[in-house]
Amino acid sequence: GAVVSQHPSWVICKSGTSVKIECRSLDFQATTMFWYRQFPKQSLMLMATSNEGSKATYEQGVEKDKFLINHASLTLSTLTVTSAHPEDSSFYICSSSIGDTQYFGPGTRLTVL
Amino acid sequence: GDSVTQMEGPVTLSEEAFLTINCTYTATGYPSLFWYVQYPGEGLQLLLKATKADDKGSNKGFEATYRKETTSFHLEKGSVQVSDSAVYFCALRTTGTASKLTFGTGTRLQVTL
Repeated sequence: GAVVSQHPSWVICKSGTSVKIECRSLDFQATTMFWYRQFPKQSLMLMATSNEGSKATYEQGVEKDKFLINHASLTLSTLTVTSAHPEDSSFYICSSSIGDTQYFGPGTRLTVL
Repeated sequence: GDSVTQMEGPVTLSEEAFLTINCTYTATGYPSLFWYVQYPGEGLQLLLKATKADDKGSNKGFEATYRKETTSFHLEKGSVQVSDSAVYFCALRTTGTASKLTFGTGTRLQVTL
């Protein structure tokens, strides 16, 4: 099946710094990628949909200036958490779809001290 | 809006026991329904799906039937194994929403010897 990778798998940063998370489709071209956030014992919440070569579409309540998404190529989308704060600590997951099936990355755990 | 409700976990079963994880949904239109599984340390994987009423999805001994009259998509397995221990997510996608998935909160299954 299709493989989606994420890097890093975990990151710890100081409050006020920015963190970039990469999402790559390894064996297929992904014109659309999705970014989710998962809180402990809660469901995945869609943050935004990124489209290659155009601006991302953010879900209601997600700050686009805080969560910068770039989808510059058909195999790479990045999520940058700017000026991170402890409340941004979470598990971030990306996915991409082939047909009606979504393939998920393994996730990135962000801890902001 | 669309929503998915799953039974709260954790669910703890002995090996070879029968498993049922309840899932009900609310959606406009005629959604496709999915079960995803997340093994420890891994990304979500599609377990099975059903795209229209009365369809039965099945995979790895798991089954779920799309019940429009009760708006349900309960996951069942006749005999669970320790290796089935994971978190199971029910999800839906409404036609025309460009693969945007709505997830339930997930149900953790723990199978013991």
